[in-house]
Amino acid sequence: GENVEQHPSTLSVQEGDSAVIKCTYSDSASNYFPWYKQELGKRPQLIIDIRSNVGEKKDQRIAVTLNKTAKHFSLHITETQPEDSAVYFCAASQIKAAGNKLTFGGGTRVLVKP
Amino acid sequence: DGGITQSPKYLFRKEGQNVTLSCEQNLNHDAMYWYRQDPGQGLRLIYYSQIVNDFQKGDIAEGYSVSREKKESFPLTVTSAQKNPTAFYLCASSYTGRNSGNTIYFGEGSWLTVV
Repeated sequence: GENVEQHPSTLSVQEGDSAVIKCTYSDSASNYFPWYKQELGKRPQLIIDIRSNVGEKKDQRIAVTLNKTAKHFSLHITETQPEDSAVYFCAASQIKAAGNKLTFGGGTRVLVKP
Repeated sequence: DGGITQSPKYLFRKEGQNVTLSCEQNLNHDAMYWYRQDPGQGLRLIYYSQIVNDFQKGDIAEGYSVSREKKESFPLTVTSAQKNPTAFYLCASSYTGRNSGNTIYFGEGSWLTVV
């Protein structure tokens, strides 16, 4: 089955700086890579996702890059703000007609210092 | 997101008891999922269901059971066979089909504590 590794486990940045979180996956058949943000005690919420036919996707201050050959993908947050402080999870899956079974990385706790 | 309702929010279980966590969705999603999250950890898949009256084991199904009698409902029972059930349980749902949006949406979660 799929295995997803995520690094670093914690990340502390100064407000306004950039944050980068990296994930690797093991199953070359995976074709869908979402990123979720989870605040303490809350549900994970999708912030951005990318499919394997695209190398990069941006949404305002957030971008995700995908390297299918190396089987890794990264989340980039620019101009970080205190409200970006949360735990971020990457995930991978092979989308099938029957559904979307995500395998998650272990999470990165991001702290943005004012 | 608001279309997935989990209850109860907090639940305490005594040793040897079975407890059932409710999950209802009004998003007309075919697929539903149960994930477990331990403090400071990622999410692990317990069970998932792609269609009514059918479900499959995930990575950590031992000690859990589910049913899918209605499209909207996917309850999870934590049995006494689950030796370490204290965790945050998240129900989720999505559409199926390769060409449809496959975003997985989560409910607000249920905290289960063994006392």
